[in-house]
Amino acid sequence: AQSVTQLDSQVPVFEEAPVELRCNYSSSVSVYLFWYVQYPNQGLQLLLKYLSGSTLVKGINGFEAEFNKSQTSFHLRKPSVHISDTAEYFCAVRPNAGKSTFGDGTTLTVKP
Amino acid sequence: NAGVTQTPKFQVLKTGQSMTLQCAQDMNHEYMSWYRQDPGMGLRLIHYSVGAGITDQGEVPNGYNVSRSTTEDFPLRLLSAAPSQTSVYFCASSYPGQNSPLHFGNGTRLTVT
Repeated sequence: AQSVTQLDSQVPVFEEAPVELRCNYSSSVSVYLFWYVQYPNQGLQLLLKYLSGSTLVKGINGFEAEFNKSQTSFHLRKPSVHISDTAEYFCAVRPNAGKSTFGDGTTLTVKP
Repeated sequence: NAGVTQTPKFQVLKTGQSMTLQCAQDMNHEYMSWYRQDPGMGLRLIHYSVGAGITDQGEVPNGYNVSRSTTEDFPLRLLSAAPSQTSVYFCASSYPGQNSPLHFGNGTRLTVT
């Protein structure tokens, strides 16, 4: 069965500092990986996705993620965060057309 | 473009009451699904549908029913609400296929007393 582990439940960081949110997945087959962001009182929205090809994927709002097949990781990074990046971030895999599996989420808090 | 629309935004029920959470999408997505979100537990799949007339159970289906009579609508029914069903419910839709990202509604916050 597919599973996703987000290694940090909370990440506090100061404004303009770099950040990395860690995600490991388990899979014995090809996977499609996604990062979603959830702002307070809203639904999730897509940040970026890895389907195939280049292992470095760029998304919206300056975020990027690197797919590492040997380490089964898909960590999310941003070189300089803003207050507006404060949100909850979810890593997800979609093992088949019917289901997506989400991690438990990482709360990113950007402090001034 | 409205995307995925969920109603109501908030609802309070007493134990044993029934209700229907509505979900509609205007993107002609074949795939629709319902998730519940609880603190520290991520999102858990309740039911999903890969097209009109086709539904299947997800990870936590007990206590919930769904139907899919049209491509646009995918209502979630609670037949007899229980306090354990207090949660935030999200509807999501997508094109078919593993490589399609989900599009989410803004959620329904349900409290069962």
